[in-house]
Amino acid sequence: EVQLVESGGGLVQPGRSMKLSCAASGFTFSNYGMAWVRQAPTKGLEWVATISYDGSSTYYRDSVKGRFTISRDNAKSTLYLQMNSLRSEDTATYYCTRDLNVYYGLLGYWGQGVMVTVSS
Amino acid sequence: DIVMTQTPSSQAVSAGEKVTMSCKSSQSLLYSENKKNYLAWYQQKPGQSPKLLISWASTRESGVPDRFIGSGSGTDFTLTISSVQAEDLAVYYCEQYYDTPWTFGGGTKLELK
Repeated sequence: EVQLVESGGGLVQPGRSMKLSCAASGFTFSNYGMAWVRQAPTKGLEWVATISYDGSSTYYRDSVKGRFTISRDNAKSTLYLQMNSLRSEDTATYYCTRDLNVYYGLLGYWGQGVMVTVSS
Repeated sequence: DIVMTQTPSSQAVSAGEKVTMSCKSSQSLLYSENKKNYLAWYQQKPGQSPKLLISWASTRESGVPDRFIGSGSGTDFTLTISSVQAEDLAVYYCEQYYDTPWTFGGGTKLELK
């Protein structure tokens, strides 16, 4: 069974940093692209970043480019999101997702999500 | 960016009713080389993570009941629930994975009448 378990969220002040982790199990992690998707309170879904199966390619939405870094450790089956210079508009539940197959953006599996609150 | 527009934003339904919801994209999601529409539907129940229901506009994922039917091509897509059940009350999102940034519609919330 595919499992994605996020951790590392919480309350952080504007301008500070936070690193999210996602522990994956139940599949061969190194075979799949992974992504982070966020959802602000009572709002819709917003794709944040994607990383290829081997980490060689990364993609970001414009609003996080230069501030967020997606990475992965295939030996540990873990996905990361380093978030710097956080803003109030980054407040959201962040979901770790796995691509269904070889197509980026087709999000076949989702974690339970981790809340990030950016506030002073 | 490709803009995804879903209508209606909410819909009150009764059990057993047939429901349709619309998703329109600002540009075609049909890739000419493989004739596939890069459009997915997700279901998000209250307090839960989203779940992939349909990929390629009309392919139901494993375990998804056959009352969920995806259709459409190009820029106009529809999700139909042939006979709504109580467990179908949720928010439904369409998503294009044709081009980055992958974008979602604003969602259609199904509520009990």
